[in-house]
Amino acid sequence: SQQGEEDPQALSIQEGENATMNCSYKTSINNLQWYRQNSGRGLVHLILIRSNEREKHSGRLRVTLDTSKKSSSLLITASRAADTASYFCATERAGGGNKLTFGTGTQLKVEL
Amino acid sequence: GAVVSQHPSRVICKSGTSVKIECRSLDFQATTMFWYRQFPKKSLMLMATSNEGSKATYEQGVEKDKFLINHASLTLSTLTVTSAHPEDSSFYICSAKSHPNPYNEQFFGPGTRLTVL
Repeated sequence: SQQGEEDPQALSIQEGENATMNCSYKTSINNLQWYRQNSGRGLVHLILIRSNEREKHSGRLRVTLDTSKKSSSLLITASRAADTASYFCATERAGGGNKLTFGTGTQLKVEL
Repeated sequence: GAVVSQHPSRVICKSGTSVKIECRSLDFQATTMFWYRQFPKKSLMLMATSNEGSKATYEQGVEKDKFLINHASLTLSTLTVTSAHPEDSSFYICSAKSHPNPYNEQFFGPGTRLTVL
């Protein structure tokens, strides 16, 4: 079953603005990962944050994790048109055999 | 490094025929491969977990006789959709994990779009 819920489902912003996406989940996790998918293509791994970490940065990406609230956020700063894609969070459940459960995704559109 | 390929990228077949999709890890040995299914504008749903040399483990609701998985080598897993029907039309994505894998990272293939007429 799908345990991740993401909001918003769709987000449209202007180039240069920041984009924030949120993910909530239901069970205990080993880690939470964020992926990007361009239309009709495969997934690209963006960043992984472990359950004992609270914040992680990678380039223009900032991910936070609040295990008490079972939620995570992905912030993309200074967005570019090329950031237009769908973004998914995925959780590796504790004791779940390394399987990933994907969230419902956020479709981001960055306009010039 | 860590490239996963899928073949074919697109396939159109007639209802009732079987279709084989290949997933290959090109520059690492994948002890575990995962098969996902994605409907348009939807999330990925895990179908099965495939370990090299053993039977695949299917998720609840996935018919193992319908979706045959073979992980015969450390670089190749295949998914065969048997007696395909239009409702099997979907985007099928595989991922692969190596061992050891300190970050538990999965590497995803580019996906295969299956259309059943």
